[in-house]
Amino acid sequence: GGIITQTPKFLIGQEGQKLTLKCQQNFNHDTMYWYRQDSGKGLRLIYYSITENDLQKGDLSEGYDASREKKSSFSLTVTSAQKNEMAVFLCASSMRGRFAEQFFGPGTRLTVL
Amino acid sequence: GDSVTQTEGQVALSEEDFLTIHCNYSASGYPTLFWYVQYPGEGPQLLFRASRDKEKGSSRGFEATYDKGTTSFHLRKASVQESDSAVYYCALDDTNAYKVIFGKGTHLHVLP
Repeated sequence: GGIITQTPKFLIGQEGQKLTLKCQQNFNHDTMYWYRQDSGKGLRLIYYSITENDLQKGDLSEGYDASREKKSSFSLTVTSAQKNEMAVFLCASSMRGRFAEQFFGPGTRLTVL
Repeated sequence: GDSVTQTEGQVALSEEDFLTIHCNYSASGYPTLFWYVQYPGEGPQLLFRASRDKEKGSSRGFEATYDKGTTSFHLRKASVQESDSAVYYCALDDTNAYKVIFGKGTHLHVLP
């Protein structure tokens, strides 16, 4: 089986700071995703990448950048952290195509002071 | 666009109670429908999926039947246990893009 690793597990930043979250997968999956999870709002898609060198905006891309450095890794940057922002960011990967199951990492919990 | 609506907020049950979490979808054609479960401190994981009308998905005593007529995929379990306490997400694949649309999640609390 494979695994998705997210670093760091906890991230504390200051208002206005640029912050980067990293995700690695060893499933050899083509597609990778970044979601934001807020209490009561479910999972909201920020960016996804269908294959290496591809980037697609999700519903919540404003304020974020993403980079698919290679097939196994996908990074997310918060371009200017907002004060009192607190959320869990989840990375996922899947095979390409319909019916595909998404495999999730354990998440990075962001706190902005 | 495609969307998913599920029972929102929290559901509190006692052990051995019957569980229903409602899920309705809006999409053209036959999207694949999913149920994911998320335990505290972990990412969501697939419970099961279905892709054809009247197809039943099931796992760990949970089940749901794809119903094209009512555009529903309700999650049911006959007798819940305390260990079933988790957040449950209904989802569908967006047939126009390589992405999955999730509902807002239902937090199930099962009291001993």
